[in-house]
Amino acid sequence: EVQLVETGGGLIQPGGSLRLSCAVSGFIVSSNYMTWVRQAPGKGLEWVSIIYSGSSADYADSVKGRFTISRDNSKNTLYLQMNSLKAEDTAVYFCARVGSGGWYFDSWGQGTLVTVSS
Amino acid sequence: SYELTQPPSVSVSPGQTASITCSGDKLGDRYACWYQQKPGQSPVLVIYQDSKRPSGIPERFSGSNSGNTATLIISGTQAMDEADYYCQAWDSSTGVFGGGTKLTVL
Repeated sequence: EVQLVETGGGLIQPGGSLRLSCAVSGFIVSSNYMTWVRQAPGKGLEWVSIIYSGSSADYADSVKGRFTISRDNSKNTLYLQMNSLKAEDTAVYFCARVGSGGWYFDSWGQGTLVTVSS
Repeated sequence: SYELTQPPSVSVSPGQTASITCSGDKLGDRYACWYQQKPGQSPVLVIYQDSKRPSGIPERFSGSNSGNTATLIISGTQAMDEADYYCQAWDSSTGVFGGGTKLTVL
């Protein structure tokens, strides 16, 4: 059974840093493209980042230069390092697997809430 | 930047057909997919590559994509289909979501 479990969310002050984790079971993270999507309270979905084979990645303009996506193949875990956090980064962050045909997200975690506030 | 536009809300009577549109410049030249999200839950993929259904998704869900518009069609809509629906596509290695459509079954 495919399972993705996000952890690491919480309350953080503006300018602070946080690292989200996405522990995966049922498939191999290193063999799949993986992505992060966020959802601000009461708002729609916003794509954040994708990691391809190896360590190459792309980011939304809103997080470029502040967020870094990575994975630990030995732990079968995806990460999102978030630096210089802003109030507008407050959201539930979901990790998801990119489907084998590409460019759609076929399995999602339950999400972890990040609140950026003083 | 590329944008996808959805109607904020759509209403449908039980048993009838619901259509939710997603508009973007030359959207038909790229793949579109659709997600269903119920309150407090994670999104679920219901249509990918314009018209394919993942395993476990009922046959009443179908999709099309041509020109500037992708469409999600729910035939014989049931109360359990009441949810937010999001379209999604890619542009220059950037994922793009539509703003979402709240489907009300009444």
